[in-house]
Amino acid sequence: GAGVSQTPSNKVTEKGKYVELRCDPISGHTALYWYRQSLGQGPEFLIYFQGTGAADDSGLPNDRFFAVRPEGSVSTLKIQRTERGDSAVYLCASSLSFGNTEAFFGQGTRLTVV
Amino acid sequence: GESVGLHLPTLSVQEGDNSIINCAYSNSASDYFIWYKQESGKGPQFIIDIRSNMDKRQGQRVTVLLNKTVKHLSLQIAATQPGDSAVYFCAENDFNKFYFGSGTKLNVKP
Repeated sequence: GAGVSQTPSNKVTEKGKYVELRCDPISGHTALYWYRQSLGQGPEFLIYFQGTGAADDSGLPNDRFFAVRPEGSVSTLKIQRTERGDSAVYLCASSLSFGNTEAFFGQGTRLTVV
Repeated sequence: GESVGLHLPTLSVQEGDNSIINCAYSNSASDYFIWYKQESGKGPQFIIDIRSNMDKRQGQRVTVLLNKTVKHLSLQIAATQPGDSAVYFCAENDFNKFYFGSGTKLNVKP
């Protein structure tokens, strides 16, 4: 009965480095979402998966950002050549099925690029 | 993304009073509107949603009202409790993407 789990909870990295953020959705949830939240702002859509495929990646800011979900469960958000502007809380959410409005969010990974 | 905004960034209410949090949206094509609650250090938590063809929906201590004429959404919380203190976001669902506003912080005074 665990919720959405995100690891690490905090990540500090140097500018230019590569990072991976992991999301374990609720078991059985086929839809998975990644959001980014800056301080004082609402979550900003990045990408969502239906099963293994990225159904919509229109929110990814540029080609330094990439996400995968190879087996339709765990997802990894990958950021190359990190920049200070990438600093934010990265939130993952899952929902039971495509079109279900009740999404369950993890606690997020706070990424700080120094 | 579409614009989802809020009228007031901070709302302070007395414990036991009713709270009303407002939200304006711009995308008339959204299928659903959703309210989320976010406590400090946590991810957003689903509260209630309303389909675009409805005007009102009630949950436990919460009511959401949708006025499509003026593109306005509100969340009413009855008998506000200290545990209701959080940031509240409205979001609109557009092709399974959720667009969030910037949030309203609700402070409940004892």
